[in-house]
Amino acid sequence: GENVEQHPSTLSVQEGDSAVIKCTYSDSASNYFPWYKQELGKGPQLIIDIRSNVGEKKDQRIAVTLNKTAKHFSLHITETQPEDSAVYFCGKRGSNYKLTFGKGTLLTVNP
Amino acid sequence: NAGVMQNPRHLVRRRGQEARLRCSPMKGHSHVYWYRQLPEEGLKFMVYLQKENIIDESGMPKERFSAEFPKEGPSILRIQQVVRGDSAAYFCASSRGEQGASEQFFGPGTRLTVL
Repeated sequence: GENVEQHPSTLSVQEGDSAVIKCTYSDSASNYFPWYKQELGKGPQLIIDIRSNVGEKKDQRIAVTLNKTAKHFSLHITETQPEDSAVYFCGKRGSNYKLTFGKGTLLTVNP
Repeated sequence: NAGVMQNPRHLVRRRGQEARLRCSPMKGHSHVYWYRQLPEEGLKFMVYLQKENIIDESGMPKERFSAEFPKEGPSILRIQQVVRGDSAAYFCASSRGEQGASEQFFGPGTRLTVL
């Protein structure tokens, strides 16, 4: 019920390629799904989020898709750049305020 | 508009000492959350506070840990008699909305090292 499974734990891509990170959850009450980017030595930064009443949201090179039936959601980064290198965390929240996070994906974009 | 501020950024304590971590939420935010991040782990919820009230402390250890968010001043996470296992990064987040239903914005964190 509480956990979020995030895959892969590490991802290495060439600059310009796309990167996809997937998360799955099990409880039906979750209705808000944020993605955070954390650079070394810094706090997590909210980069995009999606609520359960939509299936996809885009913001420039970043998109998030949500499949509520299958209980999974994904982060898509297109035309990756070296500055996209960071740890990415998915999260979920249900009817209360508590965010539950995945364990993170270390993304490395090679120039 | 300044973001969430935390201080100190780094804190070193010897076993048995006390650690005090401070968090000032974003302007206009009255909801504060504390999370702990262990190496190569995700963020784990500890406690949720509104001004002068602890709403949920279910993620905080029952002993040695306490949190407050007074009417004036920053939120404080206090760890008494620290042990090596308390070494971690502690992040504070804040939000504006009722019952924390809006986005949470994180501070830069306090990295606690217990010698």
